[in-house]
Amino acid sequence: GAGVSQSPRYKVAKRGQDVALRCDPISGHVSLFWYQQALGQGPEFLTYFQNEAQLDKSGLPSDRFFAERPEGSVSTLKIQRTQQEDSAVYLCASSPHRGTGGGTDTQYFGPGTRLTVL
Amino acid sequence: AQSVSQHNHHVILSEAASLELGCNYSYGGTVNLFWYVQYPGQHLQLLLKYFSGDPLVKGIKGFEAEFIKSKFSFNLRKPSVQWSDTAEYFCAVNGGGTDKLIFGTGTRLQVFP
Repeated sequence: GAGVSQSPRYKVAKRGQDVALRCDPISGHVSLFWYQQALGQGPEFLTYFQNEAQLDKSGLPSDRFFAERPEGSVSTLKIQRTQQEDSAVYLCASSPHRGTGGGTDTQYFGPGTRLTVL
Repeated sequence: AQSVSQHNHHVILSEAASLELGCNYSYGGTVNLFWYVQYPGQHLQLLLKYFSGDPLVKGIKGFEAEFIKSKFSFNLRKPSVQWSDTAEYFCAVNGGGTDKLIFGTGTRLQVFP
């Protein structure tokens, strides 16, 4: 079946522009995660949804970052007034089960969106 | 706070050599441990995971990992690597009532024929 898809795959923005990154999770997956991966680093957690509820946004680096999942499926990560330090690959992952805090579910990752801020 | 250390940043091997990639984590409670792999041009995919039971976990493509609680380690092993194992390998952990993954910085493995 189809995996997690993300669009666009590449985005170049001028500093100060707003960007919107889209994630289509695997159909029926309850949980959705966003991660940021800087060059040469591992992914870092940004935020987490269970259906349409945003249960954890502790990783969002500033109030310029905003995520939503209004109908419990597709999610959008929005970055306002982009800065050069926002340049990174933004990864989306989904998992099938309701997060119970047990943390044993496999997360399935999309290909990522590479954001470059000039 | 949880953290993950991967000590080998870049490993170069010849085919048929044995592989061991180190992973240490810091967290005192119950943890779940994962190894993810990213082949060139592909997305992250799960190699194996441990959350309970036998501390020796077997994954896809002949990989295995051993959870040693006393050492806070979850090293990845493969007895004989192939050129197709060339990839970046990430160790990750979660625990403490949260599902978010904490990743290490990754190990780039290059296997030469």
